[in-house]
Amino acid sequence: DTGVSQNPRHKITKRGQNVTFRCDPISEHNRLYWYRQTLGQGPEFLTYFQNEAQLEKSRLLSDRFSAERPKGSFSTLEIQRTEQGDSAMYLCASSLALGGGSHEQFFGPGTRLTVL
Amino acid sequence: DAKTTQPPSMDCAEGRAANLPCNHSTISGNEYVYWYRQIHSQGPQYIIHGLKNNETNEMASLIITEDRKSSTLILPHATLRDTAVYYCIVRVDSWGKLQFGAGTQVVVTP
Repeated sequence: DTGVSQNPRHKITKRGQNVTFRCDPISEHNRLYWYRQTLGQGPEFLTYFQNEAQLEKSRLLSDRFSAERPKGSFSTLEIQRTEQGDSAMYLCASSLALGGGSHEQFFGPGTRLTVL
Repeated sequence: DAKTTQPPSMDCAEGRAANLPCNHSTISGNEYVYWYRQIHSQGPQYIIHGLKNNETNEMASLIITEDRKSSTLILPHATLRDTAVYYCIVRVDSWGKLQFGAGTQVVVTP
């Protein structure tokens, strides 16, 4: 399967702990996006990368959140000192942003975080 | 601030056409209309997009009004697997972020 993969699929942690999620985009996709989705709501944009450069961050991305995409391939999203309000599904997507290329973002299955 | 308005839910009989409306009365001339859907416990999936002209692909048809203030996504022959939340999104940057609203929960019944 050459789609977007995310690990882990589920994470349960205690409040105050740090967690890290990984996203592997479709090979050669140069853009990678992170979204967060809470129950009953549509996904909310967090940040995105073009290659290794982080081009935009939402104000939702507090200083407890950090995302990286070293070497422009996989990406990690770390949440420090987790709070119960961080409980959500974290979705990753990738796209190939080139002239004439598809506008489509391909989403992974998400990582469901539960903070106790 | 929501750029699109969609009904919260709608039902559709299997085999019939599903017509999903979306209002985007404040759309700018250079903004595209996109549709994604999200089946339960999965990530969103791209369906179709358009600027001014009507568009059709293997999944659906997109009808955009002449004034571009509203559009309709048409699933020509709904199946049970089309049960999902459907999101209508307007965006300028074809490769930038997606701003999802609450979407329309479509339930296809036998």
